[in-house]
Amino acid sequence: RKEVEQDPGPFNVPEGATVAFNCTYSNSASQSFFWYRQDCRKEPKLLMSVYSSGNEDGRFTAQLNRASQYISLLIRDSKLSDSATYLCVVKDDKIIFGKGTRLHILP
Amino acid sequence: GAGVSQTPSNKVTEKGKYVELRCDPISGHTALYWYRQSLGQGPEFLIYFQGTGAADDSGLPNDRFFAVRPEGSVSTLKIQRTERGDSAVYLCASSSKGLAGGGEQFFGPGTRLTVL
Repeated sequence: RKEVEQDPGPFNVPEGATVAFNCTYSNSASQSFFWYRQDCRKEPKLLMSVYSSGNEDGRFTAQLNRASQYISLLIRDSKLSDSATYLCVVKDDKIIFGKGTRLHILP
Repeated sequence: GAGVSQTPSNKVTEKGKYVELRCDPISGHTALYWYRQSLGQGPEFLIYFQGTGAADDSGLPNDRFFAVRPEGSVSTLKIQRTERGDSAVYLCASSSKGLAGGGEQFFGPGTRLTVL
């Protein structure tokens, strides 16, 4: 099993829809979790940290399921500007990025 | 304030040549990371500095790769005897907290290295 796995997509979603994707991790001792966003040919930027209790930032909700070893990202009322690659990041004694999930919001 | 800067933005070199890639982190950030990203992949960890010292260099693929951060600020990634497989975008990130602190990493725009 890969250390951090994501569905590469692409997810093609109409504007205004809700979309969710997961990221699984193999090391149960992982301590911190993040979602980064990366636009085409740009650098990754932090979208949000993922807390054990789950957290919400506007249209974005992140959740952690330690028992099943996955984190999730939910985007509500999707906008065209949400089109990007979403990278899952897991930290234990090192930092591991997933390959990313590509999201295309369709007008 | 200024973000993380990387130079050059693009580097084209020939197989077997030596290259140096520079990273200027956000002022005051003690942690500095180097990653390599190939097309369609996520960033792959190479090395992490806490201050001047390399706290974790386990991601360096082989001994052709070396990085320094002599004064705890600017870092240089050095690649000897470049190979075509080294072609990728090399990303640098800095953070105000070390790895254990789990702080946000701020990425530079990357250096796109092409080895012909």
